[in-house]
Amino acid sequence: EVQLVESGGGLVKPGGSLRLSCAASGFTFSSYSMNWVRQAPGKGLEWVSSISSGSSYIYYADSVKGRFTISRDNAKNSLYLQMNSLRAEDTAVYYCARDREIVVDYWGQGTLVTVSS
Amino acid sequence: SSELTQDPAVSVALGQTVRITCQGDSLRSYYASWYQQKPGQAPVLIIYGKNNRPSGIPDRFSGSSSGNTASLTITGAQAEDEADYYCNSRDSSGNLWVFGGGTKLTVL
Repeated sequence: EVQLVESGGGLVKPGGSLRLSCAASGFTFSSYSMNWVRQAPGKGLEWVSSISSGSSYIYYADSVKGRFTISRDNAKNSLYLQMNSLRAEDTAVYYCARDREIVVDYWGQGTLVTVSS
Repeated sequence: SSELTQDPAVSVALGQTVRITCQGDSLRSYYASWYQQKPGQAPVLIIYGKNNRPSGIPDRFSGSSSGNTASLTITGAQAEDEADYYCNSRDSSGNLWVFGGGTKLTVL
């Protein structure tokens, strides 16, 4: 069974940093691209970032480019999102999701990031 | 990047058929996927590709596409289908993902 478990969310002040993690199991993690997708309270889904299976290809939404860094450790079956210079508008549930090139299929349960003073 | 446009809200009588649409230029090149999200839960994939359903998704859910519009059809809507529905596809570059704004489905 595919499982994705996010962690690392919490309350952070504007301008602060946070690192999210996603632990993957139930599939060959190193064979799949992975994504972070977020959802602000009461709002829709917003794709944040993607990383290819071997980390060669990395993409970001314009809204986070230059502030967020996606990475992965295939030996640890883990995906990460380093978030710097956080803003109030980054407040959201952050989901880790598996990428099958034509579809984003499995999602974790999400971790809440709140940016507030 | 591309945008995908969905109607914010749609309603359907119990047992009737409803279509939820998604429009965007990238849909001329890429199939849409559809996700169901209930309050407090993660999105669940219900349709992808031409018209594929993951295991466990009822066959009352189906997908179609024409030009720049993708559609999700629920044939014989059930009370448990009341949820938010999101479409998604690759953007025009093929490198990024884009989501529609979501459609809130009410089953009357």
